[in-house]
Amino acid sequence: DSGVTQTPKHLITATGQRVTLRCSPRSGDLSVYWYQQSLDQGLQFLIQYYNGEERAKGNILERFSAQQFPDLHSELNLSSLELGDSALYFCASSVGTGRSSPLHFGNGTRLTVT
Amino acid sequence: EDQVTQSPEALRLQEGESSSLNCSYTVSGLRGLFWYRQDPGKGPEFLFTLYSAGEEKEKERLKATLTKKESFLHITAPKPEDSATYLCAVQAGGGGADGLTFGKGTHLIIQP
Repeated sequence: DSGVTQTPKHLITATGQRVTLRCSPRSGDLSVYWYQQSLDQGLQFLIQYYNGEERAKGNILERFSAQQFPDLHSELNLSSLELGDSALYFCASSVGTGRSSPLHFGNGTRLTVT
Repeated sequence: EDQVTQSPEALRLQEGESSSLNCSYTVSGLRGLFWYRQDPGKGPEFLFTLYSAGEEKEKERLKATLTKKESFLHITAPKPEDSATYLCAVQAGGGGADGLTFGKGTHLIIQP
């Protein structure tokens, strides 16, 4: 058990809808990361937050947004959903920035857009 | 742009048959190279971090090594429970971003 909790585990929704994925990081970790995993693309970095502030952006679409709250949990909001957004969405956390900071992953939310 | 290429894409071994997985990378200033194991339906599980060429790390039947251009994950006398997808990732230096760039993984199957 990595200590990173993601909810829900599964989500089925229709095109055009909006969903929110939630992540609670490991106790003591200040950084939260969101990744998307699809069969053909592998794990793609979306966005990182550190102690409530956005730290880095990867391949995140404008229809997607995220935030990290004062209690350090994070939410990823996906809107105007398309069939191609169907994927596994992982949250990861780490102690912070710096040299030795492996990411610890949750078990993901499987999103299916129909 | 940071890139990670893993080979082979898939590998089937007999129990006890040792082998190596390859991870080639290009990165602007390597801060760390990471190996993860991912089981179906689960998130990646952290295995090792390597920081500089020549470094080696071991854990049970796994040993990871690092050169300036690639890393190897050596699996000695594997067991069926070692079956998983093994992911390699790099963390680049500078810029303040800490996200990892992942390869697409090697799907390893160990047959009894």
